[in-house]
Amino acid sequence: ILNVEQSPQSLHVQEGDSTNFTCSFPSSNFYALHWYRWETAKSPEALFVMTLNGDEKKKGRISATLNTKEGYSYLYIKGSQPEDSATYLCALDQAQFYFGTGTSLTVIP
Amino acid sequence: DAGVIQSPRHEVTEMGQEVTLRCKPISGHNSLFWYRQTMMRGLELLIYFNNNVPIDDSGMPEDRFSAKMPNASFSTLKIQPSEPRDSAVYFCASSHTLTPYGYTFGSGTRLTVV
Repeated sequence: ILNVEQSPQSLHVQEGDSTNFTCSFPSSNFYALHWYRWETAKSPEALFVMTLNGDEKKKGRISATLNTKEGYSYLYIKGSQPEDSATYLCALDQAQFYFGTGTSLTVIP
Repeated sequence: DAGVIQSPRHEVTEMGQEVTLRCKPISGHNSLFWYRQTMMRGLELLIYFNNNVPIDDSGMPEDRFSAKMPNASFSTLKIQPSEPRDSAVYFCASSHTLTPYGYTFGSGTRLTVV
């Protein structure tokens, strides 16, 4: 089993603050790294699919980077809003999928 | 703990055949979720159970899909009859409570229907 770790486990920020969290993994041999935005018991929303070392992707106020050599991906949220409150999940696609346990973000108005 | 265990890892079957996917949640977890991932629709929640009881099956695509959880340590997702459009990766996840960071996913079953 490949361990995909996300940190921190949970995070509370004030509205307007920028924040970031980490997905780390031990292998550089994979097809893609996926980021999802997820609210409990709903279908996760796909945010990014990242494949190449140095990849940077952006969607509105959310962006992500990938470093395959050192085994991590960062997700950044600029100017957090209450509607950003959710769990952010990463998953490594190595033919099999390996999910992290998520970072729970709460944005306080 | 070996985590959430799904079987089989890969399944290739012919259209019209019955397919059964299996999931063993983490011991002590009382919620279990089935998801499907496709290129077109991303990751979709199909059904979830709490204390072995189905709570929400609104994501189950058709009557051809059924899920059971006969006990706290086992769940199945059955497709009968299978169709090519059912080809996807099916994930099972379990949690102890409905808290956002307590979920553990299995590695998935990659289903191909030809």
